[in-house]
Amino acid sequence: AQTVTQSQPEMSVQEAETVTLSCTYDTSESDYYLFWYKQPPSRQMILVIRQEAYKQQNATENRFSVNFQKAAKSFSLKISDSQLGDAAMYFCAYRSPGANSKLTFGKGITLSVRP
Amino acid sequence: NAGVTQTPKFQVLKTGQSMTLQCAQDMNHEYMSWYRQDPGMGLRLIHYSVGAGITDQGEVPNGYNVSRSTTEDFPLRLLSAAPSQTSVYFCASSYLRTGNRGYGYTFGSGTRLTVV
Repeated sequence: AQTVTQSQPEMSVQEAETVTLSCTYDTSESDYYLFWYKQPPSRQMILVIRQEAYKQQNATENRFSVNFQKAAKSFSLKISDSQLGDAAMYFCAYRSPGANSKLTFGKGITLSVRP
Repeated sequence: NAGVTQTPKFQVLKTGQSMTLQCAQDMNHEYMSWYRQDPGMGLRLIHYSVGAGITDQGEVPNGYNVSRSTTEDFPLRLLSAAPSQTSVYFCASSYLRTGNRGYGYTFGSGTRLTVV
């Protein structure tokens, strides 16, 4: 079974600075999908960024980018120019390409942003 | 607005009571699922469905029941509520067709359930 590990339960960043959230996963598959979700205090789950394993180019969405290292099974999220609204819990997630195609989540990391 | 509609948002139950959490999506997603979120545990899969009439168990299915009679609806039933089922519950849906799985899941707004 696939596992997703987020080893840092909490992180803090100064407003306008850059922060990187780490995620590793375990799989024997070669084709899969990876996601970062943001959960603000409102509880809503918001898709931040996605990466398809067969694409070597790292995904980017405005201030959010990933460092996808397939051989190392690492998928970190970089937030540039951090804003107060970035404060939230962030979940890394893995989706297999198979017929059941379940989404497996890490335990999450709580990011705080200091003004 | 298109999306996943989940009700209720909050619920308090007494031990032993039963209830149904409702979930409906209007995006014609084949795949629907229920997760529970507990502090320090992330989101854990309870049950999922890959289409009408097809359901299967996830990681933590005990004490929960599901059915999928239509593509749009996927209710979650708590048969006899226990304090261990106090949690936040999320319904999520997605495409399942090859080539569309990379779009990820769309989540409902969650239900905070407290069992006393």
